[in-house]
Amino acid sequence: AQSVAQPEDQVNVAEGNPLTVKCTYSVSGNPYLFWYVQYPNRGLQFLLKYITGDNLVKGSYGFEAEFNKSQTSFHLKKPSALVSDSALYFCAVRGESSGNTPLVFGKGTRLSVIA
Amino acid sequence: ETGVTQTPRHLVMGMTNKKSLKCEQHLGHNAMYWYKQSAKKPLELMFVYNFKEQTENNSVPSRFSPECPNSSHLFLHLHTLQPEDSALYLCASSQGRVEGRETQYFGPGTRLLVL
Repeated sequence: AQSVAQPEDQVNVAEGNPLTVKCTYSVSGNPYLFWYVQYPNRGLQFLLKYITGDNLVKGSYGFEAEFNKSQTSFHLKKPSALVSDSALYFCAVRGESSGNTPLVFGKGTRLSVIA
Repeated sequence: ETGVTQTPRHLVMGMTNKKSLKCEQHLGHNAMYWYKQSAKKPLELMFVYNFKEQTENNSVPSRFSPECPNSSHLFLHLHTLQPEDSALYLCASSQGRVEGRETQYFGPGTRLLVL
């Protein structure tokens, strides 16, 4: 079975400070990992994904995520937060060996960036 | 925008009504998805169509009926819904060849309220 955990319901950070949104996963075999962002009254927007290769993945809007196989984590990071980054963030995972099992999403982490 | 549109954006219906949600993708994709997003709950996959064939029905009640007439269009027909069906319904699409590593692109959603 595959699963993903976002341990924090809410993350608060001051504008200009670095931000981290945590994600850990459990899959059979190698993972395919994704981050999405959802602004109010909108659908999910793709930020970045890890399939293979370099453990540090760069994505949209200055976000990046680091794949850590030993810790089974894929934390989302940004060096300097903006108020406009305030939104709901979802991590998702699917295992390479999962057959037709669909993508599994975490429950989301609400990021609030305070001016 | 992501290239996935959904109509209507908002819908209020009584429990005896019949209505349909429409999704259209302009990305040349071959897989389309319906998700349900309720407050305080993880994203729930409802249906998957791959090359117009339904490949996933995630134990969804029969009062929800999907239809995929072609690779660009997906419908969700609603009949005799319950108040607990009130949620944001999201449509997504992906290439449809190697589902595991594909990125899903989401529409803005239909906010449904069942009275």
